[in-house]
Amino acid sequence: EDQVTQSPEALRLQEGESSSLNCSYTVSGLRGLFWYRQDPGKGPEFLFTLYSAGEEKEKERLKATLTKKESFLHITAPKPEDSATYLCAVQARGETSGSRLTFGEGTQLTVNP
Amino acid sequence: NAGVTQTPKFRILKIGQSMTLQCTQDMNHNYMYWYRQDPGMGLKLIYYSVGAGITDKGEVPNGYNVSRSTTEDFPLRLELAAPSQTSVYFCASILRGLAGRADTQYFGPGTRLTVL
Repeated sequence: EDQVTQSPEALRLQEGESSSLNCSYTVSGLRGLFWYRQDPGKGPEFLFTLYSAGEEKEKERLKATLTKKESFLHITAPKPEDSATYLCAVQARGETSGSRLTFGEGTQLTVNP
Repeated sequence: NAGVTQTPKFRILKIGQSMTLQCTQDMNHNYMYWYRQDPGMGLKLIYYSVGAGITDKGEVPNGYNVSRSTTEDFPLRLELAAPSQTSVYFCASILRGLAGRADTQYFGPGTRLTVL
């Protein structure tokens, strides 16, 4: 069974204080690892897909990295508008998987001005 | 394109009532999904469909039914609402990636359901 564990559950930062969110996973053959951002009362918004260990992707103040067991979402010099819940999900290989996603419980990030 | 749309945005049901949550996408995506999200939790897959006329169960299908008669629509039916079904429901659809690459799911805005 595929599993995703995110830590910490909640993170409070001061504006400009860099940090990282962790996503540990077990999957029967990784097809892709996804990061989503979710604002209160809204649906998840796609950020990144990572496919293989060693891969990195960047978008503004966010950088996602991937190893064989975990992914990190690094936030550099965050701003209050980066406050949101960040969700990690994995998609397993296999034609019968229906491209389903298994989600972690998310990290709620608050950036104070 | 409007993307993935869901109706209603909010709904309060009494125990035992029935309702249908609507989901429509205008991107010609083949795959569609229904998730529920409880407070402080991640998303749990209820049902999914890989094409018109084809549906399959996810992690938490009990108490729900789905149908897929068209590519665009994927309604979720609650037959006998229970307090345990109080949650936020999200519909998603897939933009197929390149062969062998992961498929990105795009989500609707959600339906907030309360069962009293």
